[in-house]
Amino acid sequence: GAVVSQHPSRVICKSGTSVKIECRSLDFQATTMFWYRQFPKQSLMLMATSNEGSKATYEQGVEKDKFLINHASLTLSTLTVTSAHPEDSSFYICSARDMGTGAFFGQGTRLTVV
Amino acid sequence: AQTVTQSQPEMSVQEAETVTLSCTYDTSENNYYLFWYKQPPSRQMILVIRQEAYKQQNATENRFSVNFQKAAKSFSLKISDSQLGDTAMYFCAFIYMEYGNKLVFGAGTILRVKS
Repeated sequence: GAVVSQHPSRVICKSGTSVKIECRSLDFQATTMFWYRQFPKQSLMLMATSNEGSKATYEQGVEKDKFLINHASLTLSTLTVTSAHPEDSSFYICSARDMGTGAFFGQGTRLTVV
Repeated sequence: AQTVTQSQPEMSVQEAETVTLSCTYDTSENNYYLFWYKQPPSRQMILVIRQEAYKQQNATENRFSVNFQKAAKSFSLKISDSQLGDTAMYFCAFIYMEYGNKLVFGAGTILRVKS
């Protein structure tokens, strides 16, 4: 299957700082990328959908100024958590959709804000 | 409404036996895509099987097959000859094209395969 690489896999940051998470499709062009947040033993909550070259569409209740999403190319999307606080600690997963029917996932990033 | 419902929070199955995980969804669309994903303890999401709504034939991938009932909006996953490595959280997912191609997940079913 198609490969999606997400980095970093783990990050610890201090409260008030910003953290950037990268999501790359390695062997296909991703027309659409999704960013999810997942709490332990729960489902994936869609945060936003981004299409290359256009602004991301955020789900209701997701602060667009806190979670900045950039989809600058067909192979790269980034999520920046700005002014992070302990309540932002979570597991973040990206997904990239190819031209067909596939949606493939990165390895996820465990963010801990201290 | 954009909902995907998995009514079984947890299930268990003996090794080598067959288990079926249920999923229903809500949509007014005619063309869409459905998926089953597996999430083992590593938390890597793995695509198990996919189904295009316009295809009447049920998708199969080795030991995994689906029972797609379009009129009933049902999409169940059957795992045959269950193996210990099948132990994971299983998610049913749906792409809502009318909502900007959003990929929405059900709540998940924890499957435990026992030896």
